[in-house]
Amino acid sequence: GQNIDQPTEMTATEGAIVQINCTYQTSGFNGLFWYQQHAGEAPTFLSYNVLDGLEEKGRFSSFLSRSKGYSYLLLKELQMKDSASYLCAVVTGSARQLTFGSGTQLTVLP
Amino acid sequence: DAGVIQSPRHEVTEMGQEVTLRCKPISGHNSLFWYRQTMMRGLELLIYFNNNVPIDDSGMPEDRFSAKMPNASFSTLKIQPSEPRDSAVYFCASSGGGGRGQSSPLHFGNGTRLTVT
Repeated sequence: GQNIDQPTEMTATEGAIVQINCTYQTSGFNGLFWYQQHAGEAPTFLSYNVLDGLEEKGRFSSFLSRSKGYSYLLLKELQMKDSASYLCAVVTGSARQLTFGSGTQLTVLP
Repeated sequence: DAGVIQSPRHEVTEMGQEVTLRCKPISGHNSLFWYRQTMMRGLELLIYFNNNVPIDDSGMPEDRFSAKMPNASFSTLKIQPSEPRDSAVYFCASSGGGGRGQSSPLHFGNGTRLTVT
């Protein structure tokens, strides 16, 4: 089976930088996604990593180390609207199934 | 593109009743997923279709749950009979499959919030 761990909650200040970590133990790894989910809404796609290294997309960056089973999502210049749950999800198997972590609830304070 | 469309947005029903949730995936996407989300268990994969064929239904809780995909543009998730513990948000998602070594992101519908009393 798959085991995905991420912190339950984080708090940061507007304008700051925050790093949300995700560790996973899985077989048949085929990539890792990060999703953002605001309360009462659907998850929306943020980033995808399949190779080791950093993927940058505007204020958001995501890093992957396959050998360590580790990823992080870096959010820069935090804004109030970034308050949301951030979900780490691992792709496994030939069927490319997506298994989600429990999510990290980020609160951005003024 | 209208995105993934789910109906209804909210459903309140009494225990024992049949519930049918509907989903229209993004046109051209060949993979469709049903997820359930609760505070306690997070997002759980229930069943996954590829080219209208169920690939993995190991996440379906029990025989009370069934899902169909009669064509590429429509899927249903049925619960019969429903129980209070089925109360959750049910999401449908679709993806385009991806190329060699790559995975395409899932696009989620807005979900159906089910309450069974």
